[in-house]
Amino acid sequence: ELKVEQNPLFLSMQEGKNYTIYCNYSTTSDRLYWYRQDPGKSLESLFVLLSNGAVKQEGRLMASLDTKARLSTLHITAAVHDLSATYFCAVGAGYALNFGKGTSLLVTP
Amino acid sequence: KAGVTQTPRYLIKTRGQQVTLSCSPISGHRSVSWYQQTPGQGLQFLFEYFSETQRNKGNFPGRFSGRQFSNSRSEMNVSTLELGDSALYLCASSLKGANAGNTIYFGEGSWLTVV
Repeated sequence: ELKVEQNPLFLSMQEGKNYTIYCNYSTTSDRLYWYRQDPGKSLESLFVLLSNGAVKQEGRLMASLDTKARLSTLHITAAVHDLSATYFCAVGAGYALNFGKGTSLLVTP
Repeated sequence: KAGVTQTPRYLIKTRGQQVTLSCSPISGHRSVSWYQQTPGQGLQFLFEYFSETQRNKGNFPGRFSGRQFSNSRSEMNVSTLELGDSALYLCASSLKGANAGNTIYFGEGSWLTVV
């Protein structure tokens, strides 16, 4: 069974700081997704990573994938309050996505 | 371009009843999948349909079922509701499905409360 582990699960950071969220998974996959979820809302697609070494950036967020290490990272640069949300990574397994438990991010002044 | 539309958005049911949730995918998308989100278990895969065929099913009891119509719209049904079925049910659509590495778009969800 594919297991997806995110850490940290909770993250409080000051505006302007940098931080990285880690997503480890247990079996081989070359499809890694990152989503954002605001309270009471649905999942917003952030990145789709499809190959080893893939790196994608959007604004203050950058995601990378190392399929050999079974690791993806979501790096936050110079955090702002608007980034406060829960971030999920999900690993593609066949026709399904296996989600991590999510990282609740709070950016404070 | 319209997103993934789910109805109803909120509903309250009594234990033992059944419920049907509906999902209209993004136009042109043929893959529809369903997920259950709860605080305890997180996001769990229910099933995936492509061109009216169920291609994969998650580890849920047979009370959970679904179908997809020729226009790609999908419904899921939960029979004999239990308190533990209270959750946010999310529908997701994509062109060809997660196996193809497509971007997968989620709807706003249906909030089900079982009392």
